[in-house]
Amino acid sequence: IVLTQSPGTLSLSAGERATLSCRASQTVNSNYLAWYQQRPGQAPRLLIYGASSRATGIPDRFSGSGSGTDFTLTISRLEPEDFAVYYCQHYGSLVGFGQGTKLEIK
Amino acid sequence: QVQLVESGGGVVQPGVSLRLSCAASAFTFSGYGMHWVRQAPDKGLQWVAFIRFDGNNENYADSVKGRFTISRDNSKNTLYLQMNSLRVEDTAVYYCARDFHTKALDFWGQGTLVTVSS
Repeated sequence: IVLTQSPGTLSLSAGERATLSCRASQTVNSNYLAWYQQRPGQAPRLLIYGASSRATGIPDRFSGSGSGTDFTLTISRLEPEDFAVYYCQHYGSLVGFGQGTKLEIK
Repeated sequence: QVQLVESGGGVVQPGVSLRLSCAASAFTFSGYGMHWVRQAPDKGLQWVAFIRFDGNNENYADSVKGRFTISRDNSKNTLYLQMNSLRVEDTAVYYCARDFHTKALDFWGQGTLVTVSS
């Protein structure tokens, strides 16, 4: 399964709403779709698992949705620390990641 | 707090071997599957390998199958990645990560850099 994320780069301002897309090449069981945040120089951090469940300690401005082949990560009101790279991931017999979306300050 | 600390990275020539380690603490290591994930410079994440909690099942990415071996020592709370026949394209930061109910990877180490260059 190939995951394609869009857009490649998203330029927004703090306080705005961010919508990031992840499209799978074939139908995915939503239980096995996750999202990660990676800030510069840091390890990835799990944000969302099971397509819509927030990981421990993740603020409620982060939400995930979707099913089938189309999944979305939404950040309701951007904080300065949210500008980072975001990856979607599918967990099957093998694990695969999308190529990432860079969320940058406009 | 869950902690994963990788070690063993360095600069090596193509064709040689290297073994990475990941020391785990603050959780019951023997109860969790573990992964290795790598990230080439300025590139995205690439999953490398997975080992079941008891060491009895392993999966590998096609790009490393037959060259890399994931293993673990539950008595030492340590995960390993034996990398043989290293190639320039194996250059990356290598992260170990804990498996979360075979759905995601919930804790990650800070990574160790492997540079393969002649």
